[in-house]
Amino acid sequence: NAGVTQTPKFRVLKTGQSMTLLCAQDMNHEYMYWYRQDPGMGLRLIHYSVGEGTTAKGEVPDGYNVSRLKKQNFLLGLESAAPSQTSVYFCASSPPGQGGLSGANVLTFGAGSRLTVL
Amino acid sequence: GQNIDQPTEMTATEGAIVQINCTYQTSGFNGLFWYQQHAGEAPTFLSYNVLDGLEEKGRFSSFLSRSKGYSYLLLKELQMKDSASYLCAGVDSNYQLIWGAGTKLIIKP
Repeated sequence: NAGVTQTPKFRVLKTGQSMTLLCAQDMNHEYMYWYRQDPGMGLRLIHYSVGEGTTAKGEVPDGYNVSRLKKQNFLLGLESAAPSQTSVYFCASSPPGQGGLSGANVLTFGAGSRLTVL
Repeated sequence: GQNIDQPTEMTATEGAIVQINCTYQTSGFNGLFWYQQHAGEAPTFLSYNVLDGLEEKGRFSSFLSRSKGYSYLLLKELQMKDSASYLCAGVDSNYQLIWGAGTKLIIKP
């Protein structure tokens, strides 16, 4: 099993450009998440989805949009990239948990996408 | 506010034992996770504690004290492959994960 696959692994953008990060999971998980990881900070939740066709805002949603058209895919879009969005982005998935989030369930993460915005 | 505190970096010797501490302040508490993250890779699950006490999994053990808001990850018989960051994450009353910044563990021969 591939688990959670993210593409691309690396990308360099200029300020104002747009791009989409792709995430695919083959574990039939209901819930999917997008996190960003920055030096000296814990993982921060950007957006998440509890099922096909549904999305919700996390802790730091501004400047990002998401879509979950198929259960196995979760897309993260940057409409107009800013240097503050330079980060490593992780997609994760989990079975359904309490409170509409993963709760006590284990997250399975993708390998990450390193984005640099100049 | 909610907060997870863990040391930024620790150094230990191959074959030794190391304890990585984590203190948490969350609105309510529904458990605490430890994940391992090798440089440039995905975090992977190590342990989950929701009750007080020690849980052992091979060379790794995790301890929780809910009254003290404290957890630790104990790694025994350290190997070079244990060089990684260790992430502590608390689950609050809304079942949201609150992540610490991670502890980078450096293993020396």
